[in-house]
Amino acid sequence: QQQVKQSPQSLIVQKGGISIINCAYENTAFDYFPWYQQFPGKGPALLIAIRPDVSEKKEGRFTISFNKSAKQFSLHIMDSQPGDSATYFCAPRSGGSYIPTFGRGTSLIVHP
Amino acid sequence: DAGITQSPRHKVTETGTPVTLRCHQTENHRYMYWYRQDPGHGLRLIHYSYGVKDTDKGEVSDGYSVSRSKTEDFLLTLESATSSQTSVYFCAIKAQQGADEQYFGPGTRLTVT
Repeated sequence: QQQVKQSPQSLIVQKGGISIINCAYENTAFDYFPWYQQFPGKGPALLIAIRPDVSEKKEGRFTISFNKSAKQFSLHIMDSQPGDSATYFCAPRSGGSYIPTFGRGTSLIVHP
Repeated sequence: DAGITQSPRHKVTETGTPVTLRCHQTENHRYMYWYRQDPGHGLRLIHYSYGVKDTDKGEVSDGYSVSRSKTEDFLLTLESATSSQTSVYFCAIKAQQGADEQYFGPGTRLTVT
């Protein structure tokens, strides 16, 4: 049973466009909602994260939107750039656990 | 990079041989993890450790064992490598209790022929 469903699996966007990646979850105990970014040949690295006491968090061109009632959160990349081409993972976690649940990843390609 | 190194970075081995991958950290973090990454499966947890000699299984632990005799080192052993264990292996740490994010090492690409 997949506790975290990430979509889409792959995404192609033109430079300057908006990239949107979604993560739906089932575990209502999750209280930390991060997105990791992974470039080819590298390990994942934290990009941005949110806690459920806010509905949105913005850091530069990257925004997390959180919908507690729908049990989903999404990553929005504004003005997408070729350098944003990477694989993105959601990895929510509950406060009582130190084991995150990773989504299967979204491969983003931004064309120049 | 949170002071995480993995060795070797690349390895080719034959089916049936034992293989040990090493993860080394320099900052005395308590929690350490081993993941494997395969196309279409994302990152899957193999084993994790919450202290010296304290380890537990993840979702894909069959065929793998781990050891942690020192805070800084977390070893992953494939007792008898199989072709299905061809993968990229990532070590990760989580900082002190209460901190949320994980830091990942650079990965080890393992090919079992």
